[in-house]
This record gives sequence, structure tokens and C-alpha cells, in this order.
Amino acid sequence: QKEVEQNSGPLSVPEGAIASLNCTYSDRGSQSFFWYRQYSGKSPELIMSIYSNGDKEDGRFTAQLNKASQYVSLLIRDSQPSDSATYLCAVNSGAGSYQLTFGKGTKLSVIP
Amino acid sequence: DTEVTQTPKHLVMGMTNKKSLKCEQHMGHRAMYWYKQKAKKPPELMFVYSYEKLSINESVPSRFSPECPNSSLLNLHLHALQPEDSALYLCATGARPYNEQFFGPGTRLTVL
Repeated sequence: QKEVEQNSGPLSVPEGAIASLNCTYSDRGSQSFFWYRQYSGKSPELIMSIYSNGDKEDGRFTAQLNKASQYVSLLIRDSQPSDSATYLCAVNSGAGSYQLTFGKGTKLSVIP
Repeated sequence: DTEVTQTPKHLVMGMTNKKSLKCEQHMGHRAMYWYKQKAKKPPELMFVYSYEKLSINESVPSRFSPECPNSSLLNLHLHALQPEDSALYLCATGARPYNEQFFGPGTRLTVL
């Protein structure tokens, strides 16, 4: 059974701080990794994709992947109240796979 | 971002009604998905279409009937639903080869 684990939170950080969200996965053959942001009552929005070991930066967001440790993380720098949402980690098993395995999500609250 | 659209936004139906959810994409992707999401849970895969053919049916009850008329459209026909089917129904498209998935805004379904 493929599993993706996230701390459910809530994770509270003060405005301007760095928020660190973590995710581990069980399928060692996984090849692509995604972070989605979901505001309450809205649909998930893809904010980061990462496919190889290391860091990938996009604005205030940095995704980090360590396949040896089966670990992927999302850092949000200079956190803003508008970043308050649930963040879903999703993992795709391999080339040709149509299915994503989602974690249960981490709820982030950024306190003004 | 309106590259994946869904109608209606909200739907209230009785258990004896027949209704349809519609999804349209303008991203040129050949994989399309239906997900169901309950409150505080991750999206749950229902169906996958690849090149307009049903490739995955996650043991969904027959009261849900998907249809893919062409590469841009995806429908979900509903009949004889139960109150526990009330949820947010999400359409998504998938980009190859890494299966990045992009969600539509969803249809909030309430079954009375």
C-alpha cells in the first residue's frame, strides 16, 4: 500500500517567519512530487512540482526532495496571512502512472 | 485561472433526481480525472480517462456514471444518490510525463 504521510497540524507561524512543511512517502519507486495549496471551500492549487533530488525555488516557495530518505518538504519564506491554508503533498508512482497518492494535508496558520 | 472549468458550482438534489456535472479543459491534456473530496480529507480518485477512454474506475458505485465525449469535456452523471455522497466533486487534467494534475474549481454537491 502506497502511503504519503504529513503532520496534520495545525502549524502556526508568525507573519514573516519561515514555514516548514514535511512529507514522507513509502513507495521508493516514486518519481514526481507535488505540493498543492487548498483554501477552505476551494479546490487544490498546484504550487510546486519537483522531480529530482535537491532544492527547487519559485518565489517565496522552496521544495526539497531527498529520494534516499523518501522525504519531500516545502519551505515558505516571509510567510503571509494569505498563506494560511491546507497544504497537500502528492506523489506519483512512476512514469506512465495516472494516479497521485495524497497525504492528508497540513493546515498552516500564519499569525499577523 | 480558468483553464479547467466546472459547472454547476453548487448543486442540491434529492435522492431520486438525475443530474450531471460538467468539466471542460483548455490545457490540451489527454488525461482527465474525477475526484471526490469530503471535508478535512484529501481528494479521493473516482475515475481516470486517458485519450477519451476510461482507464481507471476506483470501484465507484454505479450511481455515478462518467462520460468523456471528447478530449476537452468530461461529464459525471448522477442518479439515485445517497446523502453520504454529498461532497466537493473535482475535475482535474493531467500533464505527461510526470502527471502534474490541475484541478477545476469543483462542484459542491448536497444530496437531501
